[in-house]
Amino acid sequence: GEDVEQSLFLSVREGDSSVINCTYTDSSSTYLYWYKQEPGAGLQLLTYIFSNMDMKQDQRLTVLLNKKDKHLSLRIADTQTGDSAIYFCAESRYNTDKLIFGTGTRLQVFP
Amino acid sequence: DAGVTQSPTHLIKTRGQQVTLRCSPISGHKSVSWYQQVLGQGPQFIFQYYEKEERGRGNFPDRFSARQFPNYSSELNVNALLLGDSALYLCASSSSSIAAVNYGYTFGSGTRLTVV
Repeated sequence: GEDVEQSLFLSVREGDSSVINCTYTDSSSTYLYWYKQEPGAGLQLLTYIFSNMDMKQDQRLTVLLNKKDKHLSLRIADTQTGDSAIYFCAESRYNTDKLIFGTGTRLQVFP
Repeated sequence: DAGVTQSPTHLIKTRGQQVTLRCSPISGHKSVSWYQQVLGQGPQFIFQYYEKEERGRGNFPDRFSARQFPNYSSELNVNALLLGDSALYLCASSSSSIAAVNYGYTFGSGTRLTVV
């Protein structure tokens, strides 16, 4: 199947860490991505990880991949109000032309 | 450099009408993909074009069609509009035809289509 699932909503206090989770179903996934969407805007690529990696860190962002469980997570350290948005995980599969997106997680950061 | 530009930004159409959405990719990008994002859901793949050829098609009816021009810009056409076609239509461009080497596409801000 092509399901990519995410929890719908996450609320965190400013300065805390946020962890957004994603599960996917296809073991042939090659790259996995995290996109951010702010109100009225398109999708902004935050980071990506190749399927043979376990972890990738990029400034405040840490991506963890558990390929056995087909589980992907995005950790945002020191979450700020500007991080409030919808976060989508997406996968691409070998030699295909499309991205398969999850349902999105709305992150709300409160003071 | 300009990013991916889409026009119009908003559009209201009546059921049964036809609509054309336009996308200009980043300069030098030869691949354009179209996605439909219904409110509250993730984007769904509609089409990909590379070097003016269709390289992929999602699970959408034949009412949806697209094309790519010699300058790599693209149009998405939807005929016989239904209420369920109301969505944000996103265009994405990349330099390669394969997502796996693209490290993700660059998306435009989208066209918000409302069908009444």
